Amino acid sequence: KNQVEQSPQSLIILEGKNCTLQCNYTVSPFSNLRWYKQDTGRGPVSLTIMTFSENTKSNGRYTATLDADTKQSSLHITASQLSDSASYICVVSDRGSTLGRLYFGRGTQLTVWP
Amino acid sequence: EADIYQTPRYLVIGTGKKITLECSQTMGHDKMYWYQQDPGMELHLIHYSYGVNSTEKGDLSSESTVSRIRTEHFPLTLESARPSHTSQYLCASSAQQGADRSGANVLTFGAGSRLTVL
Repeated sequence: KNQVEQSPQSLIILEGKNCTLQCNYTVSPFSNLRWYKQDTGRGPVSLTIMTFSENTKSNGRYTATLDADTKQSSLHITASQLSDSASYICVVSDRGSTLGRLYFGRGTQLTVWP
Repeated sequence: EADIYQTPRYLVIGTGKKITLECSQTMGHDKMYWYQQDPGMELHLIHYSYGVNSTEKGDLSSESTVSRIRTEHFPLTLESARPSHTSQYLCASSAQQGADRSGANVLTFGAGSRLTVL
């Protein structure tokens, strides 16, 4: 069964600290993995997208890694800011169809305290 | 700033009412989607469209219906709302997949419509 599991479910950190969010998946055949940020009451916004051959990709203070062998990805946030408080969703796409079916994780709820 | 708009943002209605959630995008994207999201849960695809006059049901069974008469417009309709329909509804769009699959199917989401049925 194709699944995407994220951990931790929730996380509280102090402003300025770093943190790492985890995503494990069983989706096969794998096409790409993307991380989205969803602010409360808003739609998700894409942070990064990685294909099979990419190990790491950065977007400002966000760095995503991908290990396609172990089917694991992480999202590292450096020097956190209050505006980083949001849900971070891992999404994996398969190559089973032209549409590329998407499998969503439940997200990690990150809270950054001053 | 995403060029995909949803209205209304919030809606509270009584049981049995007919409602339509509007979704419009100005990016010329062929593919459009409706997702349902409950607190702490993953997004579930309820409808999608490849283009004009194309509509398909998603993974999650839904009593709602959709139409795609114009490329930019993908409304969702509930003929008779029930409390079980209370949820957040997210509309999204994506460009047609190119020869390079990298970046294919990256979704642009609207801000969502939060529906509460009393």
